[in-house]
Amino acid sequence: QKEVEQNSGPLSVPEGAIASLNCTYSDRVSQSFFWYRQYSGKSPELIMSIYSNGDKEDGRFTAQLNKASQYVSLLIRDSQPSDSATYLCAVKGGSGGSNYKLTFGKGTLLTVNP
Amino acid sequence: DVKVTQSSRYLVKRTGEKVFLECVQDMDHENMFWYRQDPGLGLRLIYFSYDVKMKEKGDIPEGYSVSREKKERFSLILESASTNQTSMYLCASSLWSGRNTIYFGEGSWLTVV
Repeated sequence: QKEVEQNSGPLSVPEGAIASLNCTYSDRVSQSFFWYRQYSGKSPELIMSIYSNGDKEDGRFTAQLNKASQYVSLLIRDSQPSDSATYLCAVKGGSGGSNYKLTFGKGTLLTVNP
Repeated sequence: DVKVTQSSRYLVKRTGEKVFLECVQDMDHENMFWYRQDPGLGLRLIYFSYDVKMKEKGDIPEGYSVSREKKERFSLILESASTNQTSMYLCASSLWSGRNTIYFGEGSWLTVV
């Protein structure tokens, strides 16, 4: 059974700070990695996807992937109160014919304080 | 933009009722999914479909069935609703395999009393 682990939080940061969200996964041959943001009562929305080792930047967001350590992270620079949400790490691909379905972590609740 | 539409947003059903949750996507995606989300348990896959009339069980299929008669439509069926099926249900879709992103609908909140 593929597992995706995240700290549940809550993670609390002041406005303007960098928020760092972490995720580990168990299936070494996983291929695609995603970060979703979910506001309370809403459905998940995609923030970032990453497929290769290293960093990928998109605006204030940076995703980092280290396949050797089976670790993926999301950095949010200049955090804003509107970033307060639950962040879900998701993993796709790997063993067991799972090329087309996502396995999710349970999410980290981020609170950005004004 | 990808549009995944769940027609029923809020439902209250009685124990033992048959419940249909409908989902439609407008991007000609091959794959469609049904997840449920519960506090402390996260998102769990119930069923998915990779083509019309094709389906596979996810991690928690017990008590559910699905139907995919047309490519754009994927239905989740609770044959006899029970209180432990009270949850938020999320439909999603994606292009076939690979790096393709999965997009979610707005969710259906089901309460079984």
